[in-house]
Amino acid sequence: DIQMTQSPSSLSASVGDRVTITCRASQSVSGYINWYQQKPGKAPYLLIDSVSNLQSGVPLRFSGSGSVTDFTLTISSLQPEDFGSYYCQQSYNVPFTFGPGTKVDI
Amino acid sequence: QVQLQESGPGLVKPSQTLSLTCTVSGASISSDSYYWSWIRQPAGKGLEWIGRIYNSGVTYYNPSLRSRVAMSLDTSENQFSLKLNSVTAADTAVYFCARTTHYANFFDPWGQGTLVTVSS
Repeated sequence: DIQMTQSPSSLSASVGDRVTITCRASQSVSGYINWYQQKPGKAPYLLIDSVSNLQSGVPLRFSGSGSVTDFTLTISSLQPEDFGSYYCQQSYNVPFTFGPGTKVDI
Repeated sequence: QVQLQESGPGLVKPSQTLSLTCTVSGASISSDSYYWSWIRQPAGKGLEWIGRIYNSGVTYYNPSLRSRVAMSLDTSENQFSLKLNSVTAADTAVYFCARTTHYANFFDPWGQGTLVTVSS
C-alpha cells in the first residue's frame, strides 16, 4: 500500500493568514492526489482533484501543487469558515489511501 | 444534483454481519463513468477506503478487509450495498458511501455517513 503522511497534524492560524499543508506519499503517485475538507460531524468534501484542479464552487483562495511524492494544499487567506480537518488522498494505486489529516483551528 | 444516503442498523453485535445500503439519487449506478465506494472513519481517526464496485458487479476490496467484505448492486433500486462479517469493536466507525470517478478515482459526492457501533 502507498502510505500517506501529512504535516502538520494540527495548526492554529488567524483570519487572513496564509496556510500551507503538506502531504507526502511513500512512493510516486504521479498526478493522482486529491484534497478534502471535513467539518465535525460531516462527510468529507472534495476541494481539489488531480493535484491542482479546483472543484466548482470552491473558493479561489484554495490551491494545490506538487508532484511525484510531495504535495501542498495552500489557503492563501484563511477565512473563518475554513476551520476543519483536511485530508489528502492518493488515487494512483489501489488500495486508495488517505493521509492522517490536518486539523485547522482559526 | 447527485445525492447518496446510507442506511442500515446502527448497532451490530460482535461476530455478526454489518449490512449497509447506499441509495443514489440524481445519477444512475449503471453509469460507465463511475465506481461506487465505501469508506469508513472510526471516531476521531482518519479515513479508510473499504472498496468499490463497478456497474458490472466487478469489485475491488481493500486487502486489509478483503476476507470479510462483500459489495453488491441493485440497479432496479439504484442502490449498492456493503456487508462486513465477523465484526469486532474495531469495526465501530462512521461508514460513508461515495461516488468514485473512473478516470481519476476521487470521491465526490459522499453520503452523510452512518455510525455503526459494534457492541453486545
